[in-house]
Amino acid sequence: EIVLTQSPGTLSLSPGEGVTLSCRASQSVDSRYLAWYQQRPGQAPRLLIYGASNRATGIPDRFSGSGSGTDFTLTISRLEPEDFAVYYCQQYGSSPPMYTFGPGTKLDIK
Amino acid sequence: QVQLQESGPGLVRPSGTLSLSCAVSGVSISSGFWWGWVRQAPGRGLEWIGEVFHTGTTNYNPSLKSRVTISADTSNNQISLKLTSVTAADTAVYYCIDSGWFSLVSWGQGTLVTVSS
Repeated sequence: EIVLTQSPGTLSLSPGEGVTLSCRASQSVDSRYLAWYQQRPGQAPRLLIYGASNRATGIPDRFSGSGSGTDFTLTISRLEPEDFAVYYCQQYGSSPPMYTFGPGTKLDIK
Repeated sequence: QVQLQESGPGLVRPSGTLSLSCAVSGVSISSGFWWGWVRQAPGRGLEWIGEVFHTGTTNYNPSLKSRVTISADTSNNQISLKLTSVTAADTAVYYCIDSGWFSLVSWGQGTLVTVSS
């Protein structure tokens, strides 16, 4: 089973700043199978990025994803107040078919 | 646009069975996507439970497989979750989801289920 690690656990930043979040896999992951989600307090998660670099419907272009193999990143170019949330990476495994998540990175307002 | 609405008891007794339904609107569950469930214990991360195709084919998280049944009701356009022999560790918000492009595209608002006597 592939294990995902996210770093850092918590980040304190100010609106307007840029940030890059890391997701590392214990084994190589097919880029098609890597996704990112945002979860605001009290809300359901929302799909941001699928296939490592494709923005989901309605996601602003300040969000971008990249990476391959075992190292993937989510970049937010200019933080808006509504971006302070928890971000999870997720990978799909085919044997057996299942989805696993990283532990999440929390973005706090400084 | 797909909309998902979970429903079911908010309190389940230990050793009992947790049963939830998810009403799907905006698309037929026979349209070719997979439909499933994710849960989140209070203050914790996300755990995928499993999924069902409209034909009845299922995939489950191996850690829960012995206790989980997910089924599809095409006539009512809904899916259901049953989790048996529950303990306090099963207390969580349960989300209904649909999957595509190897990701979880749409999410319901979630429903909190507490396991307590």
